[in-house]
Amino acid sequence: QKEVEQDPGPLSVPEGAIVSLNCTYSNSAFQYFMWYRQYSRKGPELLMYTYSSGNKEDGRFTAQVDKSSKYISLFIRDSQPSDSATYLCAMAYNQGGKLIFGQGTELSVKP
Amino acid sequence: KAGVTQTPRYLIKTRGQQVTLSCSPISGHRSVSWYQQTPGQGLQFLFEYFSETQRNKGNFPGRFSGRQFSNSRSEMNVSTLELGDSALYLCASSNQGQGSSPLHFGNGTRLTVT
Repeated sequence: QKEVEQDPGPLSVPEGAIVSLNCTYSNSAFQYFMWYRQYSRKGPELLMYTYSSGNKEDGRFTAQVDKSSKYISLFIRDSQPSDSATYLCAMAYNQGGKLIFGQGTELSVKP
Repeated sequence: KAGVTQTPRYLIKTRGQQVTLSCSPISGHRSVSWYQQTPGQGLQFLFEYFSETQRNKGNFPGRFSGRQFSNSRSEMNVSTLELGDSALYLCASSNQGQGSSPLHFGNGTRLTVT
């Protein structure tokens, strides 16, 4: 069993839809939670970075962490075709450079 | 502020050869980490360097090695290349020791082993 599980999709939604992306994990020692977006032929781009449980909002993006359920989510409001990319969740035990990534969810937003 | 820069962007090598990849972190960042990304295994941690010292290492064979220089620039080396080493190699930097320190990635080096 992988430490971090993420549905690879693909997920296709119409423009303007609310998108929900999720990851589950098995190790309760994770303290830092991140979401990255990766376009084709590019490196991952940091979208959200949170410590411990709770919600964090940045523009159209909201990240939620539920440590009791070992579950994290990313919501994208008013999705745009430019949001079409692969979304990766990542977790860390500490502030070091070792992240454990999910497999990534491929998202397509249709005009 | 310039982002993480990786060179070269693409490489084609033959089995048995060795290869060196280069990474320049964001200015002021002292931590550099390397990751391998493949369709089957996703993103996997190779190693992390901080102030020229390897601080953490993933589960890769000894053929994979790295180093960091005094200006925080880093290189990774893969010796005796195998077909399975074909992947996107990503470098990431962070400014650890200064509060919140998420990783910022470069665009990677695409290595193809034939």
